[in-house]
Amino acid sequence: DIVMTQSPDSLAVSLGERATINCKSSQSVLYSSNNENYLAWYQQKPGQPPKVLIYWASTRESGVPDRFSASGSGTDFTLTISSLQAEDVAVYYCQQYYSTPLTFGGGTKVEIK
Amino acid sequence: EVQLLESGGGLVQPGGSLRLSCAASGFTFSTYAMSWVRLAPGKGLEWVSAISDGGGSTYYADSVKGRFTISRDNSKNTLYLQMNSLRADDTAVYYCAKVSSKGGGCGSTSCSAAFGYWGQGTLVTVSS
Repeated sequence: DIVMTQSPDSLAVSLGERATINCKSSQSVLYSSNNENYLAWYQQKPGQPPKVLIYWASTRESGVPDRFSASGSGTDFTLTISSLQAEDVAVYYCQQYYSTPLTFGGGTKVEIK
Repeated sequence: EVQLLESGGGLVQPGGSLRLSCAASGFTFSTYAMSWVRLAPGKGLEWVSAISDGGGSTYYADSVKGRFTISRDNSKNTLYLQMNSLRADDTAVYYCAKVSSKGGGCGSTSCSAAFGYWGQGTLVTVSS
């Protein structure tokens, strides 16, 4: 099984400041035949279901604000919120879809400082 | 507009059974793989099971294999999860999720699924 490890577990950032979340997979999720990383990012606000932000490690879902960006390849990935807004308070998860069992990171809780 | 509406959750004793349903609308249900994902109290998201668009291929997490069965009725646009031999650690909110066409998919031999839409979830509590 591919283990997804997120860091930090939580972070508090001032409004307008940058938030950075890391995700590491126990093996590469880069599929060589199409050069795509099978990695997604989700946002889950309190009392709501998760919402997809990013596919293929760096492709923003339509409608997602451009302050959300993501990068990385192979085993190391990053989600960045360039200027934190109050509505970004949530738990963020990475997920690999390279192979079953599909696995999520443990989540990173983002709060306002 | 895509809508996924779960039902069937509730309180059940250890060893008992429940059947969850997910009514789908707003898209051509029969052309998309579907999945169940759960969120246990104080924990993170855990993928439970997935099923291909036609229902011929199914995939399970080891933690539920042999106890849970995923199925679908494309004539009713409904996804199901039959849960047997329930344990306390199955307590969670169970979400129905539509596998995104932007993030791989589930076929006959493999399942590379990212989830584009989620229902609101249904709570399953396993306790005596």
